[in-house]
Amino acid sequence: TQLLEQSPQFLSIQEGENLTVYCNSSSVFSSLQWYRQEPGEGPVLLVTVVTGGEVKKLKRLTFQFGDARKDSSLHITAAQPGDTGLYLCAGPLGNTPLVFGKGTRLSVIA
Amino acid sequence: EAGVAQSPRYKIIEKRQSVAFWCNPISGHATLYWYQQILGQGPKLLIQFQNNGVVDDSQLPKDRFSAERLKGVDSTLKIQPAKLEDSAVYLCASSLGQGSPLGFGPGTRLLVL
Repeated sequence: TQLLEQSPQFLSIQEGENLTVYCNSSSVFSSLQWYRQEPGEGPVLLVTVVTGGEVKKLKRLTFQFGDARKDSSLHITAAQPGDTGLYLCAGPLGNTPLVFGKGTRLSVIA
Repeated sequence: EAGVAQSPRYKIIEKRQSVAFWCNPISGHATLYWYQQILGQGPKLLIQFQNNGVVDDSQLPKDRFSAERLKGVDSTLKIQPAKLEDSAVYLCASSLGQGSPLGFGPGTRLLVL
């Protein structure tokens, strides 16, 4: 059973388009983290969301934590080829270490 | 601040052989993790250390995998004997504490033939 479900699994878009990827769970998380992983590298932290309903912006990336703290979304405006990568959401469940979703693999074509 | 260092970056072995991976975490990070990432999947936790003690190894296949962090800094992960399904990227990560964001190393890509 996957605690964190990410969708879509794959996404291929043209440069300049907007997109949203989702991270959903039936469990409540105290916080959720988003990472981006480029080929041949380890994941790099983008943001941590902590408060239900919280919205955080990182340049063209907008992260939202659901009111019930069971889901999160990542919206990218005017995607660029440099945004290509695997986007992972992760969260601690109780006192357990971080649990990761399977990720959304994004490809932005110039 | 130096990041998490891992070596080797790539390793190809035959099934039933042994292999070891090394990790040096971010300086001052007490918590160290080993994750396994199979192609197309997210990272799966194998083991978590707090200083030199094991906090969680519930998903470590203990019949063939072992890990240690003897002095509370560097860590090694060993597979003996390797199976085909062990082909994956092995990621080491560290953090200030449980629940804190993780800093990941570049990973070791293992191919078992």
